[in-house]
Order: sequence, then structure tokens, then C-alpha cells
Amino acid sequence: GEDVEQSLFLSVREGDSSVINCTYTDSSSTYLYWYKQEPGAGLQLLTYIFSNMDMKQDQRLTVLLNKKDKHLSLRIADTQTGDSAIYFCAETPYNTDKLIFGTGTRLQVFP
Amino acid sequence: KAGVTQTPRYLIKTRGQQVTLSCSPISGHRSVSWYQQTPGQGLQFLFEYFSETQRNKGNFPGRFSGRQFSNSRSEMNVSTLELGDSALYLCASSLVSGTNQPQHFGDGTRLSIL
Repeated sequence: GEDVEQSLFLSVREGDSSVINCTYTDSSSTYLYWYKQEPGAGLQLLTYIFSNMDMKQDQRLTVLLNKKDKHLSLRIADTQTGDSAIYFCAETPYNTDKLIFGTGTRLQVFP
Repeated sequence: KAGVTQTPRYLIKTRGQQVTLSCSPISGHRSVSWYQQTPGQGLQFLFEYFSETQRNKGNFPGRFSGRQFSNSRSEMNVSTLELGDSALYLCASSLVSGTNQPQHFGDGTRLSIL
């Protein structure tokens, strides 16, 4: 089946690292994505990882994929107040462009 | 390069009416997908269009329909509106269909049903 789970909230101090976790169930998923949503806005594509990779780094963002455990994480280094938003993990099952989203994790960054 | 453009941004309708939402994809993108976002159900896939053909459909009633034009612009229509249709409707575009190309989203149309 298709199911993606995330914790609902994360609160971090400015300058610390944030780690947002996600688990998925569809082993056929070929790509896994992280999107960011700010209030009143749509979804901004942050990064994505192909299922045969273990890690991908893009500036302050690091994505780790444990395919055996179907676990995905997004690490944000040096978290800033502008990073406060809802972060969605999503998967695309094989041979489809349909995105299956998690519930979203609300990241709050305090000074 | 302009992003995905959705119009209108906000819409207020009453129960029983119908509504049409519009989406212009990123230039060169030929695949368009629609999603519904509500506080209770989260983000749910509605349908996907490529080359004017519906390729994939989510679990929504037949009141929800869509189409794609030859210039890749897409519209979705909701007939006989219900209170539960109040949501943010998001459109996403990607280069082609079926190749897991990253999807880029617009800012959405917020539909409120009174």
C-alpha cells in the first residue's frame, strides 16, 4: 500500500540543526521528495533523492535514505527563522507521477 | 522563467454552484497534476494530464473533472459544490509524464464554499 508518515511538530533554536523524519511503505518508489510550504503559499520543491542513493547534500540540506527501513530524513544545518514552515515528504510509486504526501512536519525556529 | 500560475488565487462560492480553476504550467512542461489540500485529509492527488489525456486519477467523485489544452494549460472543474470541497487546490507541472520528473507547484487557488 501507499502510506507516508511524519511527525507533526519540531521546534529548534536558531543556529541549531533540524532533522525531519519520514517513513514510507511503497518499496517500488523510485524518487522521494521534500517540499516546503510557507503560510499562504504553494509547495516549494527543496530537494529529491533517487531510491538507489543513500545520501544527497545540497548546501544546508542533507537527505539520508535508508531503503531497507524505508526511512527518509531531511537535515537542515544552521537553521534560520526563515526556515519556519511545514515540510512535506513525498514519494512517487513506480511508473507514476502521482505524489503521495506525508502529513507534513511543522518546523518552528525560535531565537 | 515564470513558475506555475494558478488563477484565481481566491474564490468564494455557495453550495450547488460549479467552479472552474485554471493552471498554466512552466514553459516547456507538458504534464500537469492537480492536488487538493485540506486540514483534515492533507494533500490528496486529484488527477494528472499529459498531451491532453488524463493519465491518472485519484479517489474523488465524478463531480471533479479536468482537461488539458494543446498548449499544456489545464483546467479543473467541480460541479454541485459541497461544503467539504472548501480547500486549497494546487496545480503542479513537470516536463513529461511517467518519468518521475520533479513536479513544481503553483501557489494554489483557495476555494471557500458558503
